[in-house]
Amino acid sequence: KAGVTQTPRYLIKTRGQQVTLSCSPISGHRSVSWYQQTPGQGLQFLFEYFSETQRNKGNFPGRFSGRQFSNSRSEMNVSTLELGDSALYLCASSLTGNNSPLHFGNGTRLTVT
Amino acid sequence: GENVEQHPSTLSVQEGDSAVIKCTYSDSASNYFPWYKQELGKRPQLIIDIRSNVGEKKDQRIAVTLNKTAKHFSLHITETQPEDSAVYFCAIRRDNYGQNFVFGPGTRLSVLP
Repeated sequence: KAGVTQTPRYLIKTRGQQVTLSCSPISGHRSVSWYQQTPGQGLQFLFEYFSETQRNKGNFPGRFSGRQFSNSRSEMNVSTLELGDSALYLCASSLTGNNSPLHFGNGTRLTVT
Repeated sequence: GENVEQHPSTLSVQEGDSAVIKCTYSDSASNYFPWYKQELGKRPQLIIDIRSNVGEKKDQRIAVTLNKTAKHFSLHITETQPEDSAVYFCAIRRDNYGQNFVFGPGTRLSVLP
């Protein structure tokens, strides 16, 4: 079974631009979560989508948004990029949701200059 | 908000020795407690998890113990090997709906040959 696939692997953007990251979950997984990983703040929850609906949201500004498609693939968008948005963005998929382990993708490394 | 503390932040052991990492949390509603291993430049991977109706779970050289009354759970690695060197994260599920996890800050384990 293919794992969680994230594209692109690396991105370099300028302050003020916007970016879209993509995530394809493991086949059969309907829950997709997004996490931001930085050396200073560690792994922080952004949001979770289940059956095309946002089910949970972390404490990030509205510049961070996402969506999920009918095939469970998910996208995350960050608008008006700031230097502090530089991070590894990890997508994780899981089965129905409750008490199912997260399966992480390899992440997208975003650098904002 | 929800908080997960993890100790120690770094741990060095000799090959063959045991390693123990402890996490404490504050949300008494949590009922699922996974541990993830992240090797340098790679994605976090689940190594073991435990649910609140179980006090201990073992998988070969890895075990997790849970004390729900005291709100802490620990990862135990026996007969450590150099390939165990990585950053280990504990996590709790923030509520009982969805996949909203709070991660500990991580423990960098170095196994010296």
